[in-house]
Amino acid sequence: GQNIDQPTEMTATEGAIVQINCTYQTSGFNGLFWYQQHAGEAPTFLSYNVLDGLEEKGRFSSFLSRSKGYSYLLLKELQMKDSASYLCAVRDSNYQLIWGAGTKLIIKP
Amino acid sequence: IAGITQAPTSQILAAGRRMTLRCTQDMRHNAMYWYRQDLGLGLRLIHYSNTAGTTGKGEVPDGYSVSRANTDDFPLTLASAVPSQTSVYFCASSPSGGATDTQYFGPGTRLTVL
Repeated sequence: GQNIDQPTEMTATEGAIVQINCTYQTSGFNGLFWYQQHAGEAPTFLSYNVLDGLEEKGRFSSFLSRSKGYSYLLLKELQMKDSASYLCAVRDSNYQLIWGAGTKLIIKP
Repeated sequence: IAGITQAPTSQILAAGRRMTLRCTQDMRHNAMYWYRQDLGLGLRLIHYSNTAGTTGKGEVPDGYSVSRANTDDFPLTLASAVPSQTSVYFCASSPSGGATDTQYFGPGTRLTVL
């Protein structure tokens, strides 16, 4: 079966750095996505990785290792508004997105 | 530009009733999707459409039907609602349904079936 694993919840301090991990086992791989979802709102796109390595976009970076079935999202200089759930999703061989359950990130002052 | 709109925002429905969730996008995207999101689970694909006139089944299609008469609209119908269909429903769209496509989500419909 297909599986995406992420930690259920993480806590970090304002101004700090946090790394959210995602491991996957899917039938085929056509890219990995990270989305942010604030409580009660829709998911919004953060990043896309299809090749191994690090993609940096402002305070957010995303890393992919296809051989290890592993990705992480790195958030720097945390702000209170970063409190949200972070969803990892993999596009499989049928071009459909398989989603993890999400990691709820709690930022403390 | 509205992006994707969904209606209603929320609904309480008696079991056995028929219900249609509406989804409209103004981005001229070819592909559209319906997901449900339940606590502790990832988003699960119900149905999708890669282009107007075509639809396909996702991971959890039973009890749901869709139609895609034009590019902009993609309604989801529950023919006879059951309590297990209580969930938050998200409609999404993407330009082409291809490998590098990013999906954009509507605000969601919170549905409670009693």
